[in-house]
Amino acid sequence: DGGITQSPKYLFRKEGQNVTLSCEQNLNHDAMYWYRQDPGQGLRLIYYSQIVNDFQKGDIAEGYSVSREKKESFPLTVTSAQKNPTAFYLCASSIEAGGYNEQFFGPGTRLTVL
Amino acid sequence: AQSVTQLDSQVPVFEEAPVELRCNYSSSVSVYLFWYVQYPNQGLQLLLKYLSGSTLVESINGFEAEFNKSQTSFHLRKPSVHISDTAEYFCAVTPSGNTPLVFGKGTRLSVIA
Repeated sequence: DGGITQSPKYLFRKEGQNVTLSCEQNLNHDAMYWYRQDPGQGLRLIYYSQIVNDFQKGDIAEGYSVSREKKESFPLTVTSAQKNPTAFYLCASSIEAGGYNEQFFGPGTRLTVL
Repeated sequence: AQSVTQLDSQVPVFEEAPVELRCNYSSSVSVYLFWYVQYPNQGLQLLLKYLSGSTLVESINGFEAEFNKSQTSFHLRKPSVHISDTAEYFCAVTPSGNTPLVFGKGTRLSVIA
């Protein structure tokens, strides 16, 4: 089945540690996105990539980093510079860039900083 | 810049009653509009979208939304809700071109038996 997978589902990290969230898609989509979801805040865009080896900052990129070395993979690193990293993280993809294209979402990773 | 306002953070409604979830947007250009639904502990799924043409759009599970340009609104409605409609609903907007979606803060719909 085609889709988006995110791993792990739950992630715990100590303060001061970097952690990487995985996002893989087998939909052959060009564009991929990372969102952060907090209660009552909706979805906020962290980074997005329109094509391999290219990515742009979203609204809340500080404290995060990404790479897009392969079309199917778009990992997100939450660095120690992110002051409040506890949140639900969602990865999405669309066939091409352009907000008018339907975005397909993964099941999410819930990150908790201990 | 675009923004989206979902006027109600929570909407409780009895089963088989009608519901309207409100969404207003601000934009100085033509926009595309979307409703996504998120069931508990899952990612989001597209419910319906307005790109052009008829201002009334429908989903396969009985929801509909009407694009009203003069009121800059895209309210979501269903004439009779089911328990299974309990979820969080997000309105989103983007202008033409390669600009990412901007999401509202969401409305949590709770259907009561």
